[in-house]
Amino acid sequence: DTAVSQTPKYLVTQMGNDKSIKCEQNLGHDTMYWYKQDSKKFLKIMFSYNNKELIINETVPNRFSPKSPDKAHLNLHINSLELGDSAVYFCASSPPVPIQETQYFGPGTRLLVL
Amino acid sequence: SQELEQSPQSLIVQEGKNLTINCTSSKTLYGLYWYKQKYGEGLIFLMMLQKGGEEKSHEKITAKLDEKKQQSSLHITASQPSHAGIYLCGAPTKYGGSQGNLIFGKGTKLSVKP
Repeated sequence: DTAVSQTPKYLVTQMGNDKSIKCEQNLGHDTMYWYKQDSKKFLKIMFSYNNKELIINETVPNRFSPKSPDKAHLNLHINSLELGDSAVYFCASSPPVPIQETQYFGPGTRLLVL
Repeated sequence: SQELEQSPQSLIVQEGKNLTINCTSSKTLYGLYWYKQKYGEGLIFLMMLQKGGEEKSHEKITAKLDEKKQQSSLHITASQPSHAGIYLCGAPTKYGGSQGNLIFGKGTKLSVKP
């Protein structure tokens, strides 16, 4: 009965590979997010999706692409992985405005690019 | 752009002692969220504050938002080893809370010595 789940939990891969991280939420939320936490533990927004529409796209490389097959899923696909992509990636979801409520986070995916 | 600054960056306390973590925003806050992060467990929502002067408590943790809505504090009474982790403050960048992305402070790492 996990609210927001991510797979895999750990991902070790070589530079240049393409990888995907999956995220699923069973909360019935309309908005989902991807955050990146760097080695200094600084957490920053990457993307958010609302009803299959990208509404926020921060200055991330276009090698990163969010894909939402349905309202409960927001997967993160990364092409041509680079060393600097090593980080912890968190998925989150939230209910729509005007209900003010927190975002619920997944457990994170620890990506290491060698 | 809005920034959140947390202090201290790290904190080591003896079990049973009280402690306070601060979060200061460069702009007026629409709301303020406190999260706790433990390794491998993602971000755990603690509390949300919206109104100037608001104070909320849960178990031994109390969070306050100042009247000007630019500073929040998180106070832990009689700390326990289970309180150890990284505490993050987050704030929505748009009015209406959760639909906009959250920005985060860099976190405060708390260690509690038994």
